[in-house]
Amino acid sequence: AQSVTQLGSHVSVSEGALVLLRCNYSSSVPPYLFWYVQYPNQGLQLLLKYTSAATLVKGINGFEAEFKKSETSFHLTKPSAHMSDAAEYFCAVSDNVGSQGNLIFGKGTKLSVKP
Amino acid sequence: NAGVTQTPKFRVLKTGQSMTLLCAQDMNHEYMYWYRQDPGMGLRLIHYSVGEGTTAKGEVPDGYNVSRLKKQNFLLGLESAAPSQTSVYFCASSYFRGTDTQYFGPGTRLTVL
Repeated sequence: AQSVTQLGSHVSVSEGALVLLRCNYSSSVPPYLFWYVQYPNQGLQLLLKYTSAATLVKGINGFEAEFKKSETSFHLTKPSAHMSDAAEYFCAVSDNVGSQGNLIFGKGTKLSVKP
Repeated sequence: NAGVTQTPKFRVLKTGQSMTLLCAQDMNHEYMYWYRQDPGMGLRLIHYSVGEGTTAKGEVPDGYNVSRLKKQNFLLGLESAAPSQTSVYFCASSYFRGTDTQYFGPGTRLTVL
Protein backbone atom coordinates (compact mmCIF):
# COMPACT_ATOMS: atom_id res chain seq x y z
CA ALA A 1 0.00 0.00 0.00
CA GLN A 2 1.11 3.52 -0.68
CA SER A 3 2.22 5.77 2.17
CA VAL A 4 3.90 9.10 2.77
CA THR A 5 6.33 10.17 5.49
CA GLN A 6 7.11 13.80 6.14
CA LEU A 7 10.25 14.27 8.19
CA GLY A 8 9.85 17.01 10.76
CA SER A 9 6.49 18.22 12.01
CA HIS A 10 7.91 21.74 12.48
CA VAL A 11 10.56 23.54 10.48
CA SER A 12 11.76 27.05 11.25
CA VAL A 13 13.85 29.17 8.88
CA SER A 14 14.91 32.79 8.70
CA GLU A 15 13.54 35.08 6.05
CA GLY A 16 15.72 34.76 2.95
CA ALA A 17 17.01 31.29 3.89
CA LEU A 18 16.55 28.09 1.96
CA VAL A 19 13.36 26.16 2.63
CA LEU A 20 13.63 22.36 2.52
CA LEU A 21 10.66 20.20 3.48
CA ARG A 22 11.20 16.47 3.25
CA CYS A 23 8.83 13.84 1.91
CA ASN A 24 9.47 10.16 1.36
CA TYR A 25 6.94 7.85 -0.19
CA SER A 26 6.27 4.17 -0.41
CA SER A 27 4.56 2.91 -3.52
CA SER A 28 4.32 -0.39 -5.34
CA VAL A 29 3.51 1.37 -8.60
CA PRO A 30 4.85 4.50 -10.28
CA PRO A 31 3.53 7.19 -8.00
CA TYR A 32 1.69 10.41 -8.53
CA LEU A 33 2.92 12.89 -5.92
CA PHE A 34 1.58 16.21 -4.70
CA TRP A 35 2.44 19.06 -2.37
CA TYR A 36 -0.40 21.09 -0.90
CA VAL A 37 -0.20 24.18 1.31
CA GLN A 38 -2.61 25.24 4.03
CA TYR A 39 -2.54 28.80 5.29
CA PRO A 40 -4.01 29.44 8.74
CA ASN A 41 -7.76 28.87 8.92
CA GLN A 42 -8.03 28.00 5.23
CA GLY A 43 -8.44 24.93 3.08
CA LEU A 44 -5.61 23.28 1.18
CA GLN A 45 -4.40 24.45 -2.20
CA LEU A 46 -2.12 22.73 -4.66
CA LEU A 47 1.52 23.86 -4.80
CA LEU A 48 2.73 21.38 -7.40
CA LYS A 49 2.36 17.81 -8.61
CA TYR A 50 4.42 15.09 -10.24
CA THR A 51 2.64 12.82 -12.70
CA SER A 52 5.55 11.00 -14.42
CA ALA A 53 6.68 13.82 -16.71
CA ALA A 54 9.74 15.93 -15.76
CA THR A 55 11.36 14.91 -12.48
CA LEU A 56 11.89 18.54 -11.43
CA VAL A 57 8.51 20.10 -10.91
CA LYS A 58 7.97 23.84 -10.52
CA GLY A 59 5.00 25.13 -8.60
CA ILE A 60 3.48 28.36 -7.43
CA ASN A 61 5.16 30.99 -5.25
CA GLY A 62 8.69 29.91 -6.24
CA PHE A 63 8.48 26.37 -4.83
CA GLU A 64 9.81 23.33 -6.63
CA ALA A 65 10.23 19.64 -5.91
CA GLU A 66 12.38 16.91 -7.38
CA PHE A 67 11.21 13.34 -7.81
CA LYS A 68 14.03 10.90 -6.99
CA LYS A 69 12.99 7.34 -7.60
CA SER A 70 16.21 5.84 -6.20
CA GLU A 71 15.65 7.66 -2.90
CA THR A 72 11.82 7.40 -2.97
CA SER A 73 11.75 11.10 -2.18
CA PHE A 74 9.88 14.19 -3.31
CA HIS A 75 11.36 17.02 -1.23
CA LEU A 76 9.99 20.55 -1.52
CA THR A 77 12.38 23.49 -1.79
CA LYS A 78 12.38 27.24 -2.16
CA PRO A 79 15.63 29.21 -2.46
CA SER A 80 14.58 32.17 -0.33
CA ALA A 81 11.84 32.11 2.31
CA HIS A 82 9.32 34.92 2.66
CA MET A 83 7.23 35.67 5.72
CA SER A 84 4.17 34.84 3.65
CA ASP A 85 5.40 31.23 3.27
CA ALA A 86 4.50 30.48 6.89
CA ALA A 87 1.92 27.71 6.59
CA GLU A 88 1.47 23.98 6.90
CA TYR A 89 2.62 21.84 3.99
CA PHE A 90 1.31 18.41 3.11
CA CYS A 91 2.85 15.82 0.83
CA ALA A 92 0.44 13.32 -0.74
CA VAL A 93 0.60 10.25 -2.95
CA SER A 94 -2.12 8.71 -5.04
CA ASP A 95 -2.94 5.28 -3.70
CA ASN A 96 -3.40 3.55 -7.01
CA VAL A 97 -2.03 3.49 -10.48
CA GLY A 98 -3.55 5.70 -13.14
CA SER A 99 -6.55 7.86 -12.51
CA GLN A 100 -8.45 5.72 -10.02
CA GLY A 101 -6.59 6.39 -6.82
CA ASN A 102 -7.39 8.45 -3.77
CA LEU A 103 -4.85 10.70 -2.10
CA ILE A 104 -2.91 9.54 0.94
CA PHE A 105 -1.64 12.55 2.88
CA GLY A 106 1.38 12.87 5.11
CA LYS A 107 0.96 14.27 8.59
CA GLY A 108 2.13 17.72 7.54
CA THR A 109 5.06 20.04 8.25
CA LYS A 110 4.43 23.44 9.78
CA LEU A 111 6.83 26.04 8.41
CA SER A 112 7.68 29.09 10.50
CA VAL A 113 9.61 32.00 9.00
CA LYS A 114 11.54 34.28 11.35
CA PRO A 115 12.22 37.92 10.46
CA ASN B 1 -17.14 31.27 -9.58
CA ALA B 2 -17.18 30.37 -5.87
CA GLY B 3 -15.22 27.10 -6.17
CA VAL B 4 -15.95 24.81 -3.22
CA THR B 5 -18.09 26.13 -0.39
CA GLN B 6 -18.97 24.52 2.93
CA THR B 7 -21.69 25.25 5.45
CA PRO B 8 -21.64 25.76 8.33
CA LYS B 9 -18.19 27.14 9.20
CA PHE B 10 -18.46 26.27 12.89
CA ARG B 11 -20.72 24.03 14.91
CA VAL B 12 -20.92 22.77 18.47
CA LEU B 13 -22.89 19.61 19.18
CA LYS B 14 -23.69 17.60 22.24
CA THR B 15 -22.94 13.88 22.29
CA GLY B 16 -25.70 11.99 20.54
CA GLN B 17 -26.96 14.89 18.43
CA SER B 18 -27.06 14.68 14.66
CA MET B 19 -26.10 17.13 11.97
CA THR B 20 -25.40 17.46 8.26
CA LEU B 21 -22.51 19.28 6.65
CA LEU B 22 -23.11 20.64 3.18
CA CYS B 23 -20.51 20.93 0.44
CA ALA B 24 -21.21 22.61 -2.89
CA GLN B 25 -18.99 23.05 -5.95
CA ASP B 26 -19.61 25.02 -9.13
CA MET B 27 -16.83 23.53 -11.28
CA ASN B 28 -18.86 20.63 -12.68
CA HIS B 29 -16.48 18.14 -11.06
CA GLU B 30 -17.40 14.46 -11.04
CA TYR B 31 -15.44 13.54 -7.93
CA MET B 32 -16.06 14.85 -4.44
CA TYR B 33 -14.46 13.98 -1.12
CA TRP B 34 -14.90 14.46 2.60
CA TYR B 35 -11.79 14.56 4.81
CA ARG B 36 -11.21 15.14 8.46
CA GLN B 37 -8.11 16.90 9.78
CA ASP B 38 -6.84 16.27 13.28
CA PRO B 39 -3.63 17.70 14.81
CA GLY B 40 -0.60 15.64 13.83
CA MET B 41 -2.68 13.28 11.69
CA GLY B 42 -2.80 15.04 8.35
CA LEU B 43 -5.98 14.59 6.32
CA ARG B 44 -7.87 11.32 6.33
CA LEU B 45 -10.51 10.42 3.76
CA ILE B 46 -13.96 9.69 5.20
CA HIS B 47 -16.08 9.06 2.10
CA TYR B 48 -15.92 10.01 -1.53
CA SER B 49 -18.18 10.12 -4.55
CA VAL B 50 -17.37 9.23 -8.16
CA GLY B 51 -20.49 10.84 -9.55
CA GLU B 52 -24.08 11.78 -8.87
CA GLY B 53 -25.80 9.05 -6.89
CA THR B 54 -22.63 7.06 -6.12
CA THR B 55 -20.58 7.07 -2.92
CA ALA B 56 -17.81 4.95 -1.45
CA LYS B 57 -16.01 4.52 1.86
CA GLY B 58 -12.63 6.00 2.53
CA GLU B 59 -10.12 5.35 5.29
CA VAL B 60 -12.26 6.39 8.30
CA PRO B 61 -15.97 5.99 7.38
CA ASP B 62 -17.39 4.75 10.70
CA GLY B 63 -19.97 7.05 12.26
CA TYR B 64 -20.57 9.02 9.06
CA ASN B 65 -22.95 8.78 6.13
CA VAL B 66 -22.96 10.67 2.85
CA SER B 67 -25.24 11.42 -0.03
CA ARG B 68 -24.79 12.90 -3.51
CA LEU B 69 -28.24 13.51 -4.89
CA LYS B 70 -27.06 16.35 -7.13
CA LYS B 71 -23.73 16.54 -8.93
CA GLN B 72 -22.80 19.84 -7.31
CA ASN B 73 -23.60 18.86 -3.72
CA PHE B 74 -22.07 16.34 -1.34
CA LEU B 75 -23.54 15.96 2.13
CA LEU B 76 -21.84 14.49 5.19
CA GLY B 77 -24.05 13.31 8.02
CA LEU B 78 -23.33 12.44 11.62
CA GLU B 79 -26.25 10.44 13.02
CA SER B 80 -25.13 10.32 16.65
CA ALA B 81 -22.16 12.58 17.29
CA ALA B 82 -19.34 11.46 19.58
CA PRO B 83 -16.47 13.49 21.10
CA SER B 84 -14.06 11.53 18.86
CA GLN B 85 -15.66 13.29 15.90
CA THR B 86 -14.42 16.66 17.07
CA SER B 87 -12.35 17.74 14.10
CA VAL B 88 -12.05 20.08 11.15
CA TYR B 89 -13.87 18.72 8.11
CA PHE B 90 -12.84 19.55 4.58
CA CYS B 91 -14.68 18.91 1.37
CA ALA B 92 -12.82 18.72 -1.94
CA SER B 93 -13.64 18.10 -5.58
CA SER B 94 -11.77 17.18 -8.77
CA TYR B 95 -12.32 16.22 -12.41
CA PHE B 96 -10.43 12.96 -12.06
CA ARG B 97 -9.14 11.04 -9.07
CA GLY B 98 -5.56 9.95 -8.66
CA THR B 99 -3.81 12.36 -11.00
CA ASP B 100 -5.89 15.47 -10.71
CA THR B 101 -5.77 18.56 -8.53
CA GLN B 102 -8.26 18.54 -5.71
CA TYR B 103 -9.92 21.84 -4.86
CA PHE B 104 -10.70 22.29 -1.18
CA GLY B 105 -13.36 24.18 0.67
CA PRO B 106 -12.56 26.41 3.66
CA GLY B 107 -13.49 23.77 6.24
CA THR B 108 -16.01 23.25 9.03
CA ARG B 109 -14.79 23.21 12.61
CA LEU B 110 -16.94 20.81 14.61
CA THR B 111 -16.80 20.39 18.37
CA VAL B 112 -18.71 17.57 20.08
CA LEU B 113 -19.13 18.00 23.82
